Amino acid sequence: GESVGLHLPTLSVQEGDNSIINCAYSNSASDYFIWYKQESGKGPQFIIDIRSNMDKRQGQRVTVLLNKTVKHLSLQIAATQPGDSAVYFCAENDTGFQKLVFGTGTRLLVSP
Amino acid sequence: NAGVTQTPKFRILKIGQSMTLQCTQDMNHNYMYWYRQDPGMGLKLIYYSVGAGITDKGEVPNGYNVSRSTTEDFPLRLELAAPSQTSVYFCASSYETGLDYEQYFGPGTRLTVT
Repeated sequence: GESVGLHLPTLSVQEGDNSIINCAYSNSASDYFIWYKQESGKGPQFIIDIRSNMDKRQGQRVTVLLNKTVKHLSLQIAATQPGDSAVYFCAENDTGFQKLVFGTGTRLLVSP
Repeated sequence: NAGVTQTPKFRILKIGQSMTLQCTQDMNHNYMYWYRQDPGMGLKLIYYSVGAGITDKGEVPNGYNVSRSTTEDFPLRLELAAPSQTSVYFCASSYETGLDYEQYFGPGTRLTVT
């Protein structure tokens, strides 16, 4: 079946560094991708999304890059802060019906 | 708006017991979802609904049932609880429009079956 996965389960960075979280997807027909942040004990929270007709989208301190050629998605966080420590999930739509397929997640640890 | 609310926050069940996880949203979203999240894992879709009276199975529906009698509520029923159903359960909702698929999540229900 189609799947979404992540290269690194845990990423440790220093405060102020830039963080890059990667995600591979396998469904070449997916037209929408989304990143969620999940803090301990809480539900996932939307960060940023991107449609397949775009290569890059920027938000506040976050950028998502989409490389459809190699089916790769990345989330860049600029000037990482301790409050960014969380698990980050990428997700892709499933058959265009607002059903999201989630990856396993990457834990980001930010040291002061 | 309260967004998506879930009750209870925590619950311990004995094997074979049953319970209903409640989910309510006040954003007038037509789409609602139930996920489970096992430790260190991503979210798996259990059931979803595209509107009142309409539900469909997701990736892992066995052992669960849902109903959607109103737009606001989407309860998840566990019959004959098993240890394999120990997990954190998240309810989510989203807009009907196809412009985006952002789902809004509740805080979760942590369920332990012993």
